[in-house]
Amino acid sequence: KQEVTQIPAALSVPEGENLVLNCSFTDSAIYNLQWFRQDPGKGLTSLLLIQSSQREQTSGRLNASLDKSSGRSTLYIAASQPGDSATYLCAVGAAAGNKLTFGGGTRVLVKP
Amino acid sequence: NAGVTQTPKFRILKIGQSMTLQCTQDMNHNYMYWYRQDPGMGLKLIYYSVGAGITDKGEVPNGYNVSRSTTEDFPLRLELAAPSQTSVYFCASSPLSAGNTIYFGEGSWLTVV
Repeated sequence: KQEVTQIPAALSVPEGENLVLNCSFTDSAIYNLQWFRQDPGKGLTSLLLIQSSQREQTSGRLNASLDKSSGRSTLYIAASQPGDSATYLCAVGAAAGNKLTFGGGTRVLVKP
Repeated sequence: NAGVTQTPKFRILKIGQSMTLQCTQDMNHNYMYWYRQDPGMGLKLIYYSVGAGITDKGEVPNGYNVSRSTTEDFPLRLELAAPSQTSVYFCASSPLSAGNTIYFGEGSWLTVV
């Protein structure tokens, strides 16, 4: 059974600092990995999707890497802003459909 | 640009009552999903559907039922509500390819008392 872990559960950084969020998974036979952002009281917004054949994906200030062999993904957010404060979840996709196994999330606070 | 719409947004149920959470999407996606999120936790898959007339259980299906009579709609039925079903419920959809982005609704907050 796939298990996804995100450590730390919470993170606080001053504005301008780079954010590094970690995600680990137990079964390396994944189809894809996605990073999501969740604001309080809201649904999830997809940030980046990495296919199993890819090593990284980039969008603006966001960069996500994937190392299947070690069961790890890292989300980098450059030059953090207060608007980046949210919970970030990673999720691993199984081969069939898009069924996702989620980590518990990392709650990020960027202080002005 | 509606995307995935869930109703109701908030609901309080008494133990033993039943209700249906509605979910509709206007993107013509084949795949639809129901997840629940308990406080401070990640999401867990309840049921999913790969197309009209086809549904299957996820990780935590007990106490729930679903149907998929159309591509657009994927209601989640709670029978005999229990306090353990107090949670936030998210409906989601994605296109046919398993590699495509998944779109979530804004959630339905359910409390069973």
